[in-house]
Amino acid sequence: DAGVIQSPRHEVTEMGQEVTLRCKPISGHDYLFWYRQTMMRGLELLIYFNNNVPIDDSGMPEDRFSAKMPNASFSTLKIQPSEPRDSAVYFCASSRTSGRSDEQYFGPGTRLTVT
Amino acid sequence: GDSVTQMEGPVTLSEEAFLTINCTYTATGYPSLFWYVQYPGEGLQLLLKATKADDKGSNKGFEATYRKETTSFHLEKGSVQVSDSAVYFCALSDGYGNNRLAFGKGNQVVVIP
Repeated sequence: DAGVIQSPRHEVTEMGQEVTLRCKPISGHDYLFWYRQTMMRGLELLIYFNNNVPIDDSGMPEDRFSAKMPNASFSTLKIQPSEPRDSAVYFCASSRTSGRSDEQYFGPGTRLTVT
Repeated sequence: GDSVTQMEGPVTLSEEAFLTINCTYTATGYPSLFWYVQYPGEGLQLLLKATKADDKGSNKGFEATYRKETTSFHLEKGSVQVSDSAVYFCALSDGYGNNRLAFGKGNQVVVIP
């Protein structure tokens, strides 16, 4: 299996522009998580999906952020408009339902820089 | 809610030294416990896990024992290598079926030759 795939790996954009991050989870996994990592705040859970349905989006910082999962093999995280404080590494992770000890498999991340 | 606390600050040590990273947790149920490792420029990957009290997880020379009486899951390695330089995260899963993990803040480990 190819693992969790994220694109792009790096994104540099100007303040005010729309940014779309993409994620392909591992086939057969029914949970998908979006995280943000910064030096100041560490690893933060933004939103997660189960069977393509958003379960908890309480970590989404504000209305500029939105996430979708139109099918089991694809999810997007969109920031519109972007701001310099959104600069971070964004990770997607997936896992499957099969008990209490399911690990999450992380993608390589997208490093976003907003100038 | 459920949470994980890791010791503050980076850890710097010499090659072949003994490594300990402390992790304690707060949980209302019976969580599963994990250690994840993040190498520079990469995503997190599972290092080891334990699903019940007194279980010992081990991998790549690292070990951690699930201690319910002290609510701890400390990570240890007897002889570190330069290649162990990474950030280490402790995490727990509350086991209520949502597959959600609560992560600690992470510890940067730097091993000097």
